[in-house]
Amino acid sequence: DIQMTQSPSSLSASLGERVSLTCRASQEISGYLSWLQQKPDGTIKRLIYAASTLDSGVPKRFSGSRSGSDYSLTISSLESEDFADYYCLQYASYPWTFGGGTKLEIK
Amino acid sequence: QVQLQQSGAELARPGASVKLSCKASGYTFTSYWMQWVKQRPGQGLEWIGAIYPGDGDTRYTQKFKGKATLTADKSSSTAYMQLSSLASEDSAVYYCAMGEWFAYWGQGTLVTVSA
Repeated sequence: DIQMTQSPSSLSASLGERVSLTCRASQEISGYLSWLQQKPDGTIKRLIYAASTLDSGVPKRFSGSRSGSDYSLTISSLESEDFADYYCLQYASYPWTFGGGTKLEIK
Repeated sequence: QVQLQQSGAELARPGASVKLSCKASGYTFTSYWMQWVKQRPGQGLEWIGAIYPGDGDTRYTQKFKGKATLTADKSSSTAYMQLSSLASEDSAVYYCAMGEWFAYWGQGTLVTVSA
């Protein structure tokens, strides 16, 4: 199985700050990666697919990138509604696997 | 617009079974995989498996083979997941999600296993 190592597991940041989250894949996943946001009420929304393609309606302050086996989600300027949990997901090879998650909290 | 409406919370006894539903609308149900994901309280997301309603093809992660059974009813555009031989570790929120790339998610169904 492909392991997705997500870091950091938690992050405290201020409104307006730029933050980056990272997932490292244990094997080649060729960009088959999504980023998901989970709000405190449990609602899950996909933000990015194919490593860097923004979903429709997702604010442009979110972006995704790849460097080798490292995949990053960057939020350019944090807004209050961005404080949530974030997960990466690889769908290159069965079984699909998630990163362990990042809890983004307000400083 | 795509909507996935999941069934309500379940309380079940250890050893029992439950069948969760996920009713899809706003897209061609038979043309996209339906994924199922587990989330234990305070924990991360775990992929259970998927079904392709068009032909009933299924995929499961090894851990959930024998625990989860995925089916789909094309006439009602509803996907189902049956969980059997329930134990305390099956207490969790279960989500359905549309597509191979998990484009849309249901609101989740809480399953509580308790005597």
